[in-house]
Amino acid sequence: EDQVTQSPEALRLQEGESSSLNCSYTVSGLRGLFWYRQDPGKGPEFLFTLYSAGEEKEKERLKATLTKKESFLHITAPKPEDSATYLCAVQARGNNRLAFGKGNQVVVIP
Amino acid sequence: DGGITQSPKYLFRKEGQNVTLSCEQNLNHDAMYWYRQDPGQGLRLIYYSQIVNDFQKGDIAEGYSVSREKKESFPLTVTSAQKNPTAFYLCASSLFGTSGRYNEQFFGPGTRLTVL
Repeated sequence: EDQVTQSPEALRLQEGESSSLNCSYTVSGLRGLFWYRQDPGKGPEFLFTLYSAGEEKEKERLKATLTKKESFLHITAPKPEDSATYLCAVQARGNNRLAFGKGNQVVVIP
Repeated sequence: DGGITQSPKYLFRKEGQNVTLSCEQNLNHDAMYWYRQDPGQGLRLIYYSQIVNDFQKGDIAEGYSVSREKKESFPLTVTSAQKNPTAFYLCASSLFGTSGRYNEQFFGPGTRLTVL
């Protein structure tokens, strides 16, 4: 069974204080790893897809990286508008389904 | 504007009632999905459909039913058999890409269902 574990569950950051979120996974052959951002009461917003170890993707203050066992979402010099829950999901080869972690809740304090 | 719409945004159900949640997409995506989200838990898959007139059970299908009569529509019915239906319901869709795999899933805004 595919499993995704995200840590820390919750994180409070001062504005400008960079940090990283972790997504550890076990999957029988990774097809893709996905990061989403979710604001309270809204649907998840797609951020990145990573397909193979060593791959990196960036968008504004966010950078996602991937190894064979985990992915990191680095938040550089965060702003209050980066406050959200970040969701990680994996898709196994030969499978159309995603397995989601419980999310990293991030609060950025001005 | 292309996207996924869900209605209603809020829904209240009495005990013993069936209710239907709407999901429509105009992205021309092949696959559609229904998830349930509860506080402190990850998204859990209820049903998914890869083509019209075909769908598969996810991890928590008991007490739910779906149909896929049109490519753009995938309604979810929460039946009275679902013992604890109060939750946030999310619909998603994805495109079958030229690489031979389903691309990332895009989500709708969600429907919050409350049982009175």
